[in-house]
Amino acid sequence: KAGVTQTPRYLIKTRGQQVTLSCSPISGHRSVSWYQQTPGQGLQFLFEYFSETQRNKGNFPGRFSGRQFSNSRSEMNVSTLELGDSALYLCASTPLGGFSSSTDTQYFGPGTRLTVL
Amino acid sequence: GQQVMQIPQYQHVQEGEDFTTYCNSSTTLSNIQWYKQRPGGHPVFLIQLVKSGEVKKQKRLTFQFGEAKKNSSLHITATQTTDVGTYFCAGLENQGGKLIFGQGTELSVKP
Repeated sequence: KAGVTQTPRYLIKTRGQQVTLSCSPISGHRSVSWYQQTPGQGLQFLFEYFSETQRNKGNFPGRFSGRQFSNSRSEMNVSTLELGDSALYLCASTPLGGFSSSTDTQYFGPGTRLTVL
Repeated sequence: GQQVMQIPQYQHVQEGEDFTTYCNSSTTLSNIQWYKQRPGGHPVFLIQLVKSGEVKKQKRLTFQFGEAKKNSSLHITATQTTDVGTYFCAGLENQGGKLIFGQGTELSVKP
């Protein structure tokens, strides 16, 4: 089975621009979560989608948004980019009920490295 | 909000020495998961602990979940250079269902 894929792998943008990142979960996985990883803040939860609905949301401003399609693929959008948005954005999928279920685990993708200049 | 504190932030050991990282939550957790991230890589799931006082072993790795389900530890016996990486714990909130990651412990092993 193919793993979680994320595109693009690397991205360079300038302040004020917007960006869309894509995540394709493992086939059959219905839950997709997004994380931001930076050296200073570690891994921070952005949001989780399950069956096209946002089920959980972290403490990020409204500039960060996402959606999930009927095939479970997910996109994340960041508008009006700031320098501080430079980070590795990781997507993770879980097979059944999502990580809210006590028996599910997460499979991470390789991430998208976003640099904001 | 809920926090998961992980210590130490860094640990340098000689190959063959033991290593332990600790996680402590401000509130009771539904479960705790452990991940390993190699330099330049992405987090890879190691194990999940659900029950109070649970202990699980994977070869040289021993994972424990506290009786109060608020703390956890990962112990590696006789480290090897292949153990190098950052180890993260992640606690699942009892209510709300968010997965909160610790800051990670970066392990380096000197041959």
